[in-house]
Amino acid sequence: ELKVEQNPLFLSMQEGKNYTIYCNYSTTSDRLYWYRQDPGKSLESLFVLLSNGAVKQEGRLMASLDTKARLSTLHITAAVHDLSATYFCAVVRYTGTASKLTFGTGTRLQVTL
Amino acid sequence: KAGVTQTPRYLIKTRGQQVTLSCSPISGHRSVSWYQQTPGQGLQFLFEYFSETQRNKGNFPGRFSGRQFSNSRSEMNVSTLELGDSALYLCASSLRSGVNYGYTFGSGTRLTVV
Repeated sequence: ELKVEQNPLFLSMQEGKNYTIYCNYSTTSDRLYWYRQDPGKSLESLFVLLSNGAVKQEGRLMASLDTKARLSTLHITAAVHDLSATYFCAVVRYTGTASKLTFGTGTRLQVTL
Repeated sequence: KAGVTQTPRYLIKTRGQQVTLSCSPISGHRSVSWYQQTPGQGLQFLFEYFSETQRNKGNFPGRFSGRQFSNSRSEMNVSTLELGDSALYLCASSLRSGVNYGYTFGSGTRLTVV
């Protein structure tokens, strides 16, 4: 059974600091996604990572994928308060006719002044 | 372009009742997946529908069921509600099933069982 672990579960950081969220998964996957969720809101897609060594950046967020280590990272550069949210990684596997997302536990990020 | 529409947004039900939630995918999308989000269990897959057929099912009791109509709209039903069914139910719309066209999530239905 595919398992996805994220750490840390909670991250409090000061504005201007850098930090990394880690996402480990247990078996081969076909795609890895990063989502953002604001309190009481839906999931907003941030990145989709397709292959080993993939790196994507948007603003202060950068995601990378190492399929050999089954590890993805979400790096936050010079955090700002607007980045406060919960971040989820999710892995998808295809069976040929069906697919499903398996989510990590989420990392609640709080950026303080 | 309209997004994924879930109705209702909020729902309060009593234990033992049943509930039906609706999800209209993005126009042209034919795959709809459902997820349950709770503080204790996180985000868990319920089921996936494509072309009116259930393609995949998560590890939930038979009280949870769903269907998809010819216009790709999907409904999920929970019978004999329990307190533990209180959750945010999210549906995700995708162009197809089994290949990667990405997932767009709706705003969710917040179900409270009292």
